[in-house]
Amino acid sequence: DADVTQTPRNRITKTGKRIMLECSQTKGHDRMYWYRQDPGLGLQLIYYSFDVKDINKGEISDGYSVSRQAQAKFSLSLESAIPNQTALYFCATSEAGTAYTFGSGTRLTVV
Amino acid sequence: QQPVQSPQAVILREGEDAVINCSSSKALYSVHWYRQKHGEAPVFLMILLKGGEQKGHEKISASFNEKKQQSSLYLTASQLSYSGTYFCGTEYSNYQLIWGAGTKLIIKP
Repeated sequence: DADVTQTPRNRITKTGKRIMLECSQTKGHDRMYWYRQDPGLGLQLIYYSFDVKDINKGEISDGYSVSRQAQAKFSLSLESAIPNQTALYFCATSEAGTAYTFGSGTRLTVV
Repeated sequence: QQPVQSPQAVILREGEDAVINCSSSKALYSVHWYRQKHGEAPVFLMILLKGGEQKGHEKISASFNEKKQQSSLYLTASQLSYSGTYFCGTEYSNYQLIWGAGTKLIIKP
């Protein structure tokens, strides 16, 4: 099994729909992150969490919300999807001062 | 503040060397380096910590100049498998990384 698992891998949804992307990890890390990547660009931080009770906004949190259900689970929701949220979404985990481990990504298309 | 990576892109022949730079205007706690293949997740290469400690693997090296707040990634005798986009992530305090825009590396046979 992968260290960081994201579901679904691909999703096409309609404008205005609510959608949830899920992430689970077996690394035992406290820190989890959600990133968005647009074609040809770098990683933009949406939300991050340093433990179950700690949730923080990143640089592009508008239109997104998250839930940290357990140390191993961190979900990202798009409350009302819009076409410019079409992107590749990555979940990642780490401990302080250590490498980030990324999931395989979720390719989201909003039509 | 986003670190500045240079060059934006580089094309090499197999066996040639490359250097990718990552510069910050603020004092750094650490610098991370990752490689991403098209459509795949970024993969860890190296961490350089303030004070000189380096953590990594593979046949890739890096340096961290604390005075200049700059890190350089050295790819020697490049292989076709080195192709991809290289990202640096800079850490200013012990909580999150700020990612550079990436350097696209193309290796030709």
